[in-house]
Formats: sequence, structure tokens, C-alpha cells
Amino acid sequence: SAVISQKPSRDICQRGTSLTIQCQVDSQVTMMFWYRQQPGQSLTLIATANQGSEATYESGFVIDKFPISRPNLTFSTLTVSNMSPEDSSIYLCSVEASGGNNEQFFGPGTRLTVL
Amino acid sequence: EDQVTQSPEALRLQEGESSSLNCSYTVSGLRGLFWYRQDPGKGPEFLFTLYSAGEEKEKERLKATLTKKESFLHITAPKPEDSATYLCAVQVGKIIFGKGTRLHILP
Repeated sequence: SAVISQKPSRDICQRGTSLTIQCQVDSQVTMMFWYRQQPGQSLTLIATANQGSEATYESGFVIDKFPISRPNLTFSTLTVSNMSPEDSSIYLCSVEASGGNNEQFFGPGTRLTVL
Repeated sequence: EDQVTQSPEALRLQEGESSSLNCSYTVSGLRGLFWYRQDPGKGPEFLFTLYSAGEEKEKERLKATLTKKESFLHITAPKPEDSATYLCAVQVGKIIFGKGTRLHILP
């Protein structure tokens, strides 16, 4: 399994500002994913980030609000733009395991609080 | 609409008291069903993948089973360290997660 780290682990931000979350993997992976986990809710997929192409966003999520970069096979960033209190959540990145069995491994998450 | 429902939402057991967690799903074209464990303040930890009805997987005190409509996570003689939220997810193209079952094992 891959070892995934995220920065920052938590942050408290003011309304209207933006925060960029970093995700680093210890091995090269093709597909990386960004999820949101709101209190009491299930994990919701925001977008899929493939190296060398634009991210694919799920319904309800747009690039202007959640721009994603994927500069290489071990790194990705998610920016939460123009934040509001409704963006308070845990943001998680994940990678798909090699071997084609579709299993995903998750980072530790970034806990974001917007005041 | 594809849906994943987990029950119960929360479960408290005495140490050694076996039980089962349920994950029912309504999806078209199931490609796999996953179980994860999530501890507070951490990301989900992968436990099992099941692909077809009748399949079973075991790991220590946990056993996962799959039918055409649901999956069970059986926990046998649990210990306090088994306390966590257990998440079920199905893959239909993308992966869809249930809300989880919060399991608390009392010593």
C-alpha cells in the first residue's frame, strides 16, 4: 500500500480566503482522488486528478471553487477558494492501488474550519 | 440513483460480544464493494474488497460477506481496540461511500 501525507493537517481560515492542500505519495500513481467528509456525512468525491490532464469534477463541484493541480505522478494540490463556513470539512486525498483491483488508500486528511 | 445505506448508525458492545454491521446497496453494475475502518482524526484504512455474491474475506476478528443486495461485516469477540467507524463503499465507475457505523466496544 502507498504512504500518503497531507499538509496542512488542520487549519482555521477566514471567510473569503483560499487554502491550498497538498497531497504527497511515496510512489508513482496514475490516479489521485480528492474527497470531502462533512460532519455526520459520508465521503463525497470532489474530483479525480490524473497527471497530464485536467481534473474531472463530480456533479456539484466546479473548477473555479476547487482548482486542482497534478504536476507529477506523486503530488497533487486542492485549493478551496473564496471559502465560506459551509466549506468547513475534512478534505482527503486518495490513490488507487497498483494491480488493477480498484482499492483506494487514503491520506490522513486536512481538517478545515472556516470562520 | 445509486445508494449505499449502512446500519446501525452506532453500536455499543461489550468486549467479547459478537455482532454484525450491515451495508445494503442499490446500484447498477457493481464492480466491487469495499470495507474501511476510520479512527477519529485519521483517514480511512482499507480492510477488504469483495467482488461477487458469496465471496467472504477474513482478517483477525473481522469477516466480510457479500450477497447481491448487501454486505455484512461480522466482528467476533471484539476488543476495545476495534472501536472505530466502519465504512462501506461500492464501486460503480466512481466509488460511493455509506455514512458508516460507529462501533464502540466497552471493556
